[in-house]
Amino acid sequence: GAVVSQHPSWVICKSGTSVKIECRSLDFQATTMFWYRQFPKQSLMLMATSNEGSKATYEQGVEKDKFLINHASLTLSTLTVTSAHPEDSSFYICSTMGLVTEQYFGPGTRLTVT
Amino acid sequence: TQLLEQSPQFLSIQEGENLTVYCNSSSVFSSLQWYRQEPGEGPVLLVTVVTGGEVKKLKRLTFQFGDARKDSSLHITAAQPGDTGLYLCAGATGGGSNYKLTFGKGTLLTVNP
Repeated sequence: GAVVSQHPSWVICKSGTSVKIECRSLDFQATTMFWYRQFPKQSLMLMATSNEGSKATYEQGVEKDKFLINHASLTLSTLTVTSAHPEDSSFYICSTMGLVTEQYFGPGTRLTVT
Repeated sequence: TQLLEQSPQFLSIQEGENLTVYCNSSSVFSSLQWYRQEPGEGPVLLVTVVTGGEVKKLKRLTFQFGDARKDSSLHITAAQPGDTGLYLCAGATGGGSNYKLTFGKGTLLTVNP
């Protein structure tokens, strides 16, 4: 399967600050990447679909101005949580789409907002 | 909105027992994927089933896709402590820019030695 990395693996920030999370596809070019959020003991919830060279497609209820997604190259997508609040604390996971519509996930980024 | 009902949500069994996890939906999926997730890590793909009625085996794990492509099951034979983890099913819909995966709520499996 594809190899996906995320950076950082965990981050603690103060309320009101912004945090950028990087997602890299290491072994193939990904025109589409996905961003998920997972709260403790819950499943993954799709936040947005990141398309290389175009605007991201956000799921209903996800604020596009708060969760800024940039997919500037075929190997890198970034998610910026702007003006973070404690309720944004969560496990953020990205994925890339391989062949036969399989998705390969990154290791996740644990965000804690104090 | 596609919903994928996964059951049971929690399962605690003894080593050597068999178990089955179910995913059911009223929606048709183009494919269905099973993942396993360890705490603090991203999900790892176990298998993808595409054809209605398809059965795939991965050592002691057997995956089945329903004939109508609305449901799926995961059966583990002779469970071992190393099988402990969160098992997630995910149904794929759409194509191109409309493609998305909808995840079930997961089954947290604990296999006791």
